[in-house]
Amino acid sequence: GAVVSQHPSWVICKSGTSVKIECRSLDFQATTMFWYRQFPKQSLMLMATSNEGSKATYEQGVEKDKFLINHASLTLSTLTVTSAHPEDSSFYICSAISMGQGPYEQYFGPGTRLTVT
Amino acid sequence: RKEVEQDPGPFNVPEGATVAFNCTYSNSASQSFFWYRQDCRKEPKLLMSVYSSGNEDGRFTAQLNRASQYISLLIRDSKLSDSATYLCVVNYSSYKLIFGSGTRLLVRP
Repeated sequence: GAVVSQHPSWVICKSGTSVKIECRSLDFQATTMFWYRQFPKQSLMLMATSNEGSKATYEQGVEKDKFLINHASLTLSTLTVTSAHPEDSSFYICSAISMGQGPYEQYFGPGTRLTVT
Repeated sequence: RKEVEQDPGPFNVPEGATVAFNCTYSNSASQSFFWYRQDCRKEPKLLMSVYSSGNEDGRFTAQLNRASQYISLLIRDSKLSDSATYLCVVNYSSYKLIFGSGTRLLVRP
């Protein structure tokens, strides 16, 4: 089946620094990628949708200047958490679909656990 | 009110038991429905789609009641490996998936 990877799988950073998370589709071209965040014992919450070559669409309440998303190629999207604070500590998961797929055919990456100290 | 609501559990059942989870959704325009499974500290994985006529996949049966905006998942003959969190997921616009917070299942020997 389709594979999506994320790097790093976990990261610890100091408050005020920036962290970049990569999401790659390994065996298909991802026209659309999604970024989710999951706090302990809570739902996955969609943060933004990114389409290759265009600006990301952010969900209500998600600061686009804090969570920078770049989808520069059909196999790579990056999420940069700028000036991270402890409240940004969470599990960040990306997913990807290729052209023509239905919504359920989102292939999820393994997630990145971010801890901000 | 949450868009997708689930009982968080945990449901603690012995091996071989039958267990059922329920889920309600608030948006009547919802188009597609799914159950995902998420293991601790892992990404969610699609378990099955849910159709109006009900559908079965081995030991798993899913039902949808559009009038009541209610979805269910039945697991028969529970295995230890079924221990996980089960996420009810709804789609009503484009590719946006709305996840419930999940119901935790613990299957004991």
